[in-house]
Amino acid sequence: GAVVSQHPSRVICKSGTSVKIECRSLDFQATTMFWYRQFPKQSLMLMATSNEGSKATYEQGVEKDKFLINHASLTLSTLTVTSAHPEDSSFYICSARLESDRAPNEKLFFGSGTQLSVL
Amino acid sequence: ELKVEQNPLFLSMQEGKNYTIYCNYSTTSDRLYWYRQDPGKSLESLFVLLSNGAVKQEGRLMASLDTKARLSTLHITAAVHDLSATYFCAVDNFGNEKLTFGTGTRLTIIP
Repeated sequence: GAVVSQHPSRVICKSGTSVKIECRSLDFQATTMFWYRQFPKQSLMLMATSNEGSKATYEQGVEKDKFLINHASLTLSTLTVTSAHPEDSSFYICSARLESDRAPNEKLFFGSGTQLSVL
Repeated sequence: ELKVEQNPLFLSMQEGKNYTIYCNYSTTSDRLYWYRQDPGKSLESLFVLLSNGAVKQEGRLMASLDTKARLSTLHITAAVHDLSATYFCAVDNFGNEKLTFGTGTRLTIIP
């Protein structure tokens, strides 16, 4: 299957700082990537859809200025948590959409996740 | 608004037993996914179900989809300890891979 790399896997930062998380599709091009957030022992919630070369589409209730998404190339999307606070501590997971006949049934591939802890 | 509910939320079962996890969703769906998540890890894809009546099996796990009832099941046969994890179903109701996840079922297999 296709591979999606997410980095870093774990980050600890001080309150008020900004943190950037990278999501890369290693062996395919992805015009669309998705960012999810997961609180401890809860389900995953879609935060935004990242579109290559255009603005991200945010889900209702997600602050655009807080969670900056940039999808500048066909293999890289970044999520920047700006002015992080303890309530932003969470597990962030990206996924990338494979748009080819290579895997007609399996089109979504997930990154390994990033555990963000804000002190 | 699409809602996806799983039950049970928690399941503790003995090795060797069979059990079923249920996933109900509230609107029509283009496809349904099942994932496994181990603590602190990301998602492992188990099954993609594309049409009514679809049934897929891998090892001790079997998934099915009934689009008329808006129900998917994940059946575990002769459970073993290695199957302990949290299982999520997820629905893609517009065919654009924007997933709505179920509440999750935390499965614990007791030796």
